[in-house]
Amino acid sequence: GAGVSQSPSNKVTEKGKDVELRCDPISGHTALYWYRQSLGQGLEFLIYFQGNSAPDKSGLPSDRFSAERTGGSVSTLTIQRTQQEDSAVYLCASSSFGGPFYEQYFGPGTRLTVT
Amino acid sequence: AQSVTQPDIHITVSEGASLELRCNYSYGATPYLFWYVQSPGQGLQLLLKYFSGDTLVQGIKGFEAEFKRSQSSFNLRKPSVHWSDAAEYFCAVGDDDKIIFGKGTRLHILP
Repeated sequence: GAGVSQSPSNKVTEKGKDVELRCDPISGHTALYWYRQSLGQGLEFLIYFQGNSAPDKSGLPSDRFSAERTGGSVSTLTIQRTQQEDSAVYLCASSSFGGPFYEQYFGPGTRLTVT
Repeated sequence: AQSVTQPDIHITVSEGASLELRCNYSYGATPYLFWYVQSPGQGLQLLLKYFSGDTLVQGIKGFEAEFKRSQSSFNLRKPSVHWSDAAEYFCAVGDDDKIIFGKGTRLHILP
């Protein structure tokens, strides 16, 4: 079956512009996660959605970052007024239910470059 | 806050040699522990996980890991590495509803 997909695969933007990154989770998965992978920094948790519950936004680094999940499926991560330090690979993962007991399946990521 | 430490940024081993990647975690209760692998151009893939029970867990691709509570460690091992094992490996710990990842260890294989 189809895995987690993300688009675009690469995004180059100018400093100060807004960007939207999209994640299509595995069908039927209720939990969705966003991570950021910077060089040498591992994976940094950003935000977590579980069903219709309020998202866990504790990992968002600033108020320039926001995310939504429409209809319990597709999610969009928005970065406003991008900065060079936002350059990273943004990974999305989904799991059948929330919590670490359930395996997270990762998408291929979106590589964001801010010039 | 929970945390994971992978003390080795890079590890180089010869093909056919044994491998051990180190991981130490900080967690108050019995942790959920994971090892993920990220191969070049590939997404993250779960190698194995520990929740409870037998402290030696077997994973895919011939990997295993041992949970040692006294040392707060969850080291990954493989008896004989293959060139295709060259990748970045991430140790992770479950924290409430999310997973906290270490910074990764990049494995290089010498022919």
